[in-house]
Amino acid sequence: TAGITQAPTSQILAAGRSMTLRCTQDMRHNAMYWYRQDLGLGLRLIHYSNTAGTTGKGEVPDGYSVSRANTDDFPLTLASAVPSQTSVYFCASSPGTHNEQFFGPGTRLTVL
Amino acid sequence: GQNIDQPTEMTATEGAIVQINCTYQTSGFNGLFWYQQHAGEAPTFLSYNVLDGLEEKGRFSSFLSRSKGYSYLLLKELQMKDSASYLCAVRDSNYQLIWGAGTKLIIKP
Repeated sequence: TAGITQAPTSQILAAGRSMTLRCTQDMRHNAMYWYRQDLGLGLRLIHYSNTAGTTGKGEVPDGYSVSRANTDDFPLTLASAVPSQTSVYFCASSPGTHNEQFFGPGTRLTVL
Repeated sequence: GQNIDQPTEMTATEGAIVQINCTYQTSGFNGLFWYQQHAGEAPTFLSYNVLDGLEEKGRFSSFLSRSKGYSYLLLKELQMKDSASYLCAVRDSNYQLIWGAGTKLIIKP
């Protein structure tokens, strides 16, 4: 079982360009999440989806958008990247909002 | 505001016991999680506490006091592979996880 996969593993992006980070899970989990992790800070929630067809804003949603067209996929889009979006991005999923979260391997993004 | 505090770094000796503390102030409480994160890897789930008391799982135990806004993770018989960051997270009234910055645990032979 693959669990959660993320792509790409890493990326260098020019400021002003757009990019979509991909996240796919095969566990049929209802809830999915996008976090960013920066040195010295805890994981910060960007967007979440409690079930397919619904999304919500987390703590730091500005500059990011998501969609949840089906149960398995939860892409994160940066419309116009800025250097402050340089970070490691983790996608996570859970059976429901009452359960522990399972994390993907992460995407390391550098915006220059 | 919401706040999770953990020590930034701790050092311990192989075979010993270490306790990593976590204090929290959040809007609501619906459980506390501990995750382990090795350098360059994803966090992995260790333990969950929602009621006061101690939860034991092999070499790892986690304690919660809701009245004090306090938890600790206890690691016994430390092994070199336990060198990692340990993340404390509280599920708030919206059922979202609020994360501490993590405690980097260094194990010395």
